Amino acid sequence: QKEVEQNSGPLSVPEGAIASLNCTYSDRGSQSFFWYRQYSGKSPELIMFIYSNGDKEDGRFTAQLNKASQYVSLLIRDSQPSDSATYLCAVKGSGAGSYQLTFGKGTKLSVIP
Amino acid sequence: DTAVSQTPKYLVTQMGNDKSIKCEQNLGHDTMYWYKQDSKKFLKIMFSYNNKELIINETVPNRFSPKSPDKAHLNLHINSLELGDSAVYFCASSQATVVSYTFGSGTRLTVV
Repeated sequence: QKEVEQNSGPLSVPEGAIASLNCTYSDRGSQSFFWYRQYSGKSPELIMFIYSNGDKEDGRFTAQLNKASQYVSLLIRDSQPSDSATYLCAVKGSGAGSYQLTFGKGTKLSVIP
Repeated sequence: DTAVSQTPKYLVTQMGNDKSIKCEQNLGHDTMYWYKQDSKKFLKIMFSYNNKELIINETVPNRFSPKSPDKAHLNLHINSLELGDSAVYFCASSQATVVSYTFGSGTRLTVV
């Protein structure tokens, strides 16, 4: 059973701080890793994806991947109240698993003004 | 202009009824999905279709039957609805050779 684990939170950070969201996955064959943001009552929207070990930066967001440790994280710099949402980690496997994303249960982030 | 559209947005029905949710995408994607999101926000895959062929059928009761008349449509029919079927159902699409999903806006199903 492929699993993706996230701390459910809530994670509270003050405005302007760095929010750090973590995710671990069980399937060593996983190829691609995604972070989605979901506002209450809305559908998930893609923030970033990462394939290779290391860091990938996009604006205030940095995704970090360590395949040896089966760990992926998302850093949000200069956190804003508008970043308050649930962040979903998702993993795409290989072969037949490449047809689906397996999601973690999400981490709820609250940015305090 | 909506990329992935689902109808209806809200569905309230009694136990034992049969209902359908429709999904259409205009992105030219070849793969479509149904996900169920429970009250704890856990998104779990139900079905995946690639070029109208069923690829993934997770452990879902037989009361749930997907139908894909063409690559742009994936509908979900549910028979004999139960209280536990209450959830938000998301349709999504992707291009199999690319990576990310585009989600529909969701259908909130409430069984009373």
